[in-house]
Amino acid sequence: GAVVSQHPSWVICKSGTSVKIECRSLDFQATTMFWYRQFPKQSLMLMATSNEGSKATYEQGVEKDKFLINHASLTLSTLTVTSAHPEDSSFYICSASSALTGSDEQYFGPGTRLTVT
Amino acid sequence: GDSVTQMEGPVTLSEEACLTINCTYTATGYPSLFWYVQYPGEGLQLLLKATKADDKGSNKGFEATYRKETTSFHLEKGSVQVSDSAVYFCALRSAGGTSYGKLTFGQGTILTVHP
Repeated sequence: GAVVSQHPSWVICKSGTSVKIECRSLDFQATTMFWYRQFPKQSLMLMATSNEGSKATYEQGVEKDKFLINHASLTLSTLTVTSAHPEDSSFYICSASSALTGSDEQYFGPGTRLTVT
Repeated sequence: GDSVTQMEGPVTLSEEACLTINCTYTATGYPSLFWYVQYPGEGLQLLLKATKADDKGSNKGFEATYRKETTSFHLEKGSVQVSDSAVYFCALRSAGGTSYGKLTFGQGTILTVHP
C-alpha cells in the first residue's frame, strides 16, 4: 500500500519557538493532504485540508496564522506551529490521498508527538 | 454536524474470543463508513469500509454492516488473535463532501488480546 512518512516522530520545544513538521508521500503523488490533531484518549480532529499548489482550507476554530500549512509539491506538505505554547502540545497526524489513482482512500502517517515546555 | 460515537475501551480479550466494538453515527444523507486500525508505532490503516446501506465490509476476518435504520456500523470478529491488538477507529465521510473530503472519527477503542 501507499506509504506516508512524518518527520520528526517526536519533538520537544520551548514556549515561543516555532516547530515544523513534514509529511511525505513516499510512493505516490498526493494531490490532497490532511492534517489532524489528536489529544490523549480523544478522537482525531481535522485541522486543515490542503491541495497541492493551493492555500489550505482550515476547519472552524483552527488559527491559520498559528498553524501554517504548505503543500508546495505532490510529495510534501509541512505544518509549522508558530510561537508554540504548552497548550499546543499534542499528537499531529497527516494523511494523503491522490486524485490521480481513482481511489479516494486516505493514507496516514505515523504521527508526530509535539511537547512544548 | 456529523459525529461518530464508539464503544469506550480499553477492551481486553483472550485469544480466540469474539469481538464486537460498537459504533453509531449522526450524519445527514448517506455517509460512507469506515473502520481504521492503528498498530503500535504505525499510522492508521483502512481496515474496511461500506458506502451504502446494508453493505458489509470485511477484511482480515473483521466484518461490519452498514445499518441505516440503527445508524450503526459495529465491528465484529469471531476469533481474535494477539496480533489484532491495536487501536480501532470508526469514521464517516459525509455524503455531501467531495470525493476526497474529510473524515469524522470516533474516539478510538484500544483492544488488547492476551494469549
